[in-house]
Amino acid sequence: DTGVSQNPRHKITKRGQNVTFRCDPISEHNRLYWYRQTLGQGPEFLTYFQNEAQLEKSRLLSDRFSAERPKGSFSTLEIQRTEQGDSAMYLCASSLDPVYEQYFGPGTRLTVT
Amino acid sequence: ILNVEQSPQSLHVQEGDSTNFTCSFPSSNFYALHWYRWETAKSPEALFVMTLNGDEKKKGRISATLNTKEGYSYLYIKGSQPEDSATYLCAFRGSQGNLIFGKGTKLSVKP
Repeated sequence: DTGVSQNPRHKITKRGQNVTFRCDPISEHNRLYWYRQTLGQGPEFLTYFQNEAQLEKSRLLSDRFSAERPKGSFSTLEIQRTEQGDSAMYLCASSLDPVYEQYFGPGTRLTVT
Repeated sequence: ILNVEQSPQSLHVQEGDSTNFTCSFPSSNFYALHWYRWETAKSPEALFVMTLNGDEKKKGRISATLNTKEGYSYLYIKGSQPEDSATYLCAFRGSQGNLIFGKGTKLSVKP
């Protein structure tokens, strides 16, 4: 399978714990995006990378969130001191170039209890 | 604040019915309009990327049109099948390449 993969698919954690998600984009895709979808909403943009550089962060990305793409390949999204409001589906997408379509992974569903 | 609106929110049709959904978006600073199909427990699947006013794209029984001057796009499904049941999302592409999504239209097709 050469699509975008995300791990884990599901994560249940207690409030206050730290969690980390991983995204493996399609190889050779320079762009990598993170989105979050909460109940009843469409996916909302969080941040994106051009190779290893993080070029934009949404105001939704509080200082408890950090994302990295150290070698310009896979990316990690870490949430520190999770809150119940962080419960959502976290989606990763990659594209060859900003003008091309974005290919999405299946998402990581986070539940904070 | 850029806003993308989709209607209807949900739709229930019988197998064989044709249906259409609407996506409205800002008509200024337009770069592209994306349509995705998202089935439960799967990845959102790219259907179309539309960039030119008057564009019309087709993939099998699904087609889409684009009007950038008035800021709307229609998605049509001809002869709906149960396997078409999914949430259909449209997204306006911002200047940085990020997508601004609507809330989606949830389609249920009954056999």
